[in-house]
Amino acid sequence: AQKVTQAQTEISVVEKEDVTLDCVYETRDTTYYLFWYKQPPSGELVFLIRRNSFDEQNEISGRYSWNFQKSTSSFNFTITASQVVDSAVYFCALSGYDKIIFGKGTRLHILP
Amino acid sequence: DSGVTQTPKHLITATGQRVTLRCSPRSGDLSVYWYQQSLDQGLQFLIQYYNGEERAKGNILERFSAQQFPDLHSELNLSSLELGDSALYFCASSVGVTSNQPQHFGDGTRLSIL
Repeated sequence: AQKVTQAQTEISVVEKEDVTLDCVYETRDTTYYLFWYKQPPSGELVFLIRRNSFDEQNEISGRYSWNFQKSTSSFNFTITASQVVDSAVYFCALSGYDKIIFGKGTRLHILP
Repeated sequence: DSGVTQTPKHLITATGQRVTLRCSPRSGDLSVYWYQQSLDQGLQFLIQYYNGEERAKGNILERFSAQQFPDLHSELNLSSLELGDSALYFCASSVGVTSNQPQHFGDGTRLSIL
């Protein structure tokens, strides 16, 4: 069975601090995809990144970076120099061919 | 703006009633997904349609049904509503048939059962 665990329910950091959101997944598929989505207070979900199981290269996009490690079944998300606008719920998700499952989400508070 | 439109934004109704939620996908997207987001269950995948045909089913109750029309818009029908159906219902769309493509979400419909 597939599973996504985001152990951190809620995190608070002071603005400009770096913060890492953890995501651990379980799957028996050899081909799968991992995602991160952001849900700001306004409510809509916004796609951030997709990674396939054959691409373990880390990715950086501005202040955001993602670390994918198959050996530990983890796909962690780091925000560098956090800003108040980063406050949101962040979801990690796992997809095979047919279905996608989401973690419970991590609520991130960036304090001014 | 994701390009996905959901109506209505809010819906208040009573137990036992039936409601219909509507979704227009982003232009060019053929897949529509429905999700339920509640505090205790998180974000749950309900069902996917691709170009008018049911493609995949998740944790969708028998009281719930959906369809996708020739113009690609989709409707989620919820019947015999219970208090526990109160939740935020999201629609998402993507270009292709598989669930491993990025999905673009609407703003959701907040359903409150009194």
